[in-house]
Amino acid sequence: DIVMTQSPDSLPVSLGERATINCRSSQSVLYSSNSKNYLGWYQQKPGQPPKLLIYWASTRESGVPDRFSGSGSGTDFTLTISSLQAEDVAVYYCQQYYSAPLTFGGGTKVEIK
Amino acid sequence: EVQLLESGGGLVQPGGSLRLSCAASGFTFRSYAMSWVRQAPGKGLEWVSAISSGGGLTWYGDSVKGRFTISRDNSKNTLYLQMSSLRAEDTAVYYCAKDLYEGSPYYFDSWGQGTLVTVSS
Repeated sequence: DIVMTQSPDSLPVSLGERATINCRSSQSVLYSSNSKNYLGWYQQKPGQPPKLLIYWASTRESGVPDRFSGSGSGTDFTLTISSLQAEDVAVYYCQQYYSAPLTFGGGTKVEIK
Repeated sequence: EVQLLESGGGLVQPGGSLRLSCAASGFTFRSYAMSWVRQAPGKGLEWVSAISSGGGLTWYGDSVKGRFTISRDNSKNTLYLQMSSLRAEDTAVYYCAKDLYEGSPYYFDSWGQGTLVTVSS
């Protein structure tokens, strides 16, 4: 199974500042035949189901604000919130879909400093 | 608008069984793979199982393999999860999630609100 490791566990950020969340996979999730990274990011607010933000490591889902961006390849990935807004307070998860069983990272809780 | 409505959760004793349902609407259900994802209280997300659009292919997480069975009825636009030999560690909110594709599970663009399963004596 592919293990997904996120860091940090908790991330206090001031409003308007940048938030950077890291995600590492225990093996590459880059599929060589199509050069795609099988990695997604989700946002989960308290009492709500997760919401898809990013797929293929860097493609923003429709309707997601452009302050959210994804980057990385192979085993190391980053979710960046360029200017933190109050409504971005949530737990963020990465997920690999390179192979079953699908696996999620442990989550990063973003809060206001 | 895509809607996924889970039902069937509740309190069950260890060793017992339960069947969850997920009623789908707002999209062509038969065209997409579907998954179940769970979240234990205060914990992270754990993928449980997936099924291809036609129902011919299924996948399971290691922790539920042999105990849970996923199925779907495309004529009723409904996804199911039959859970047996339930353990305390199966206690979680179970989410139904829609995939973007029809075959192997990928990522999920729509989620239900979840149904709580509590395994306790």
